[in-house]
Amino acid sequence: ELKVEQNPLFLSMQEGKNYTIYCNYSTTSDRLYWYRQDPGKSLESLFVLLSNGAVKQEGRLMASLDTKARLSTLHITAAVHDLSATYFCAETNFGNEKLTFGTGTRLTIIP
Amino acid sequence: DSGVTQTPKHLITATGQRVTLRCSPRSGDLSVYWYQQSLDQGLQFLIQYYNGEERAKGNILERFSAQQFPDLHSELNLSSLELGDSALYFCASSGQGFQETQYFGPGTRLLVL
Repeated sequence: ELKVEQNPLFLSMQEGKNYTIYCNYSTTSDRLYWYRQDPGKSLESLFVLLSNGAVKQEGRLMASLDTKARLSTLHITAAVHDLSATYFCAETNFGNEKLTFGTGTRLTIIP
Repeated sequence: DSGVTQTPKHLITATGQRVTLRCSPRSGDLSVYWYQQSLDQGLQFLIQYYNGEERAKGNILERFSAQQFPDLHSELNLSSLELGDSALYFCASSGQGFQETQYFGPGTRLLVL
């Protein structure tokens, strides 16, 4: 069975600091996704990573993919309060379109 | 706004009852997915339809069923409800290509009392 693990589960960080969320997956996935969820709200697509070494950036968020290590990272640069949310990574694998989600990382940015 | 709509937003019902959740995909999207989000199980895939046909099935209980209609909207039917079915149910849609990004609707929050 597919398994996606994220760490940490909870993260409190001060504004202006940098941090990284890690996502390990168990299969030879061909696509890795990052989503954001605000409390009680829907999931917003952030990034799709398609190949080994892929790096994508949007504002203060940067995602990368290492398929050999089966690891994706979401790096937050100079955090601001608006980034407080729960971040999920998810994978699909060959022949399958369903998303298998990680446990999520609840990020709280403290002023 | 993702373009995916779901109704109702909230649903409160009693054990043993049956409810129907509705989803309209983004314009032009052929695939519809249903996911369940609960505190103990996290986000779990239930079922996928593509252009009216069932394409993939996940951890969907036998008490649950779904369908996709010719106009591409989808319904998720939950019957003989139990307390443990209380959760947030999301619908997502994606385009015609394989493994395209899934866009999520606002969800339906179901509370079974």
